[in-house]
Amino acid sequence: GAGVSQTPSNKVTEKGKYVELRCDPISGHTALYWYRQSLGQGPEFLIYFQGTGAADDSGLPNDRFFAVRPEGSVSTLKIQRTERGDSAVYLCASSSGQGEKLFFGSGTQLSVL
Amino acid sequence: DQQVKQNSPSLSVQEGRISILNCDYTNSMFDYFLWYKKYPAEGPTFLISISSIKDKNEDGRFTVFLNKSAKHLSLHIVPSQPGDSAVYFCAASGGGSNYKLTFGKGTLLTVNP
Repeated sequence: GAGVSQTPSNKVTEKGKYVELRCDPISGHTALYWYRQSLGQGPEFLIYFQGTGAADDSGLPNDRFFAVRPEGSVSTLKIQRTERGDSAVYLCASSSGQGEKLFFGSGTQLSVL
Repeated sequence: DQQVKQNSPSLSVQEGRISILNCDYTNSMFDYFLWYKKYPAEGPTFLISISSIKDKNEDGRFTVFLNKSAKHLSLHIVPSQPGDSAVYFCAASGGGSNYKLTFGKGTLLTVNP
């Protein structure tokens, strides 16, 4: 596709469940980012991949959050034992390299009941 | 602790007039600043940026001004159009982590016909 694709667009889950959020970046983009946007806030950095490796995961709030990018393209953000406070829009972005302009997807709205 | 602050949650202007959106930052390590625009149910899209070595950058109707001594930047839109109605986020990066953007909370701009 032409842009960053995120699936699902909406995810409703129950407290304590496990969820996976998928991001398909722009073809050829080596850098991939995950951000989280809570209601009334700006996006907050979670993790940055350069190729297959997580170059910076300092924004992940705790060890319930994990992200992978095994082949250097698609990335999955995994959240274990979800809590109501995890409810937010999870945004994925990609760029052609470090420091280059970010292209964001439309996000996944996660609701934990 | 908000390192990037947008103190006006909303702004309303008449079509054809100037819109001025403001942003303040506290981290003196920031050396690159961006504005993103976001429509509902879409991801943020890049609008304009400025490096700390400049004090002004212009792109069509959009101009960003940077005052480093005051740690302040502003986005001017002139003339404003109804299609400009969106949430505008100020973002900053720097200090060796030029891939990691720190966002403000955003300002909702409404341009009235």
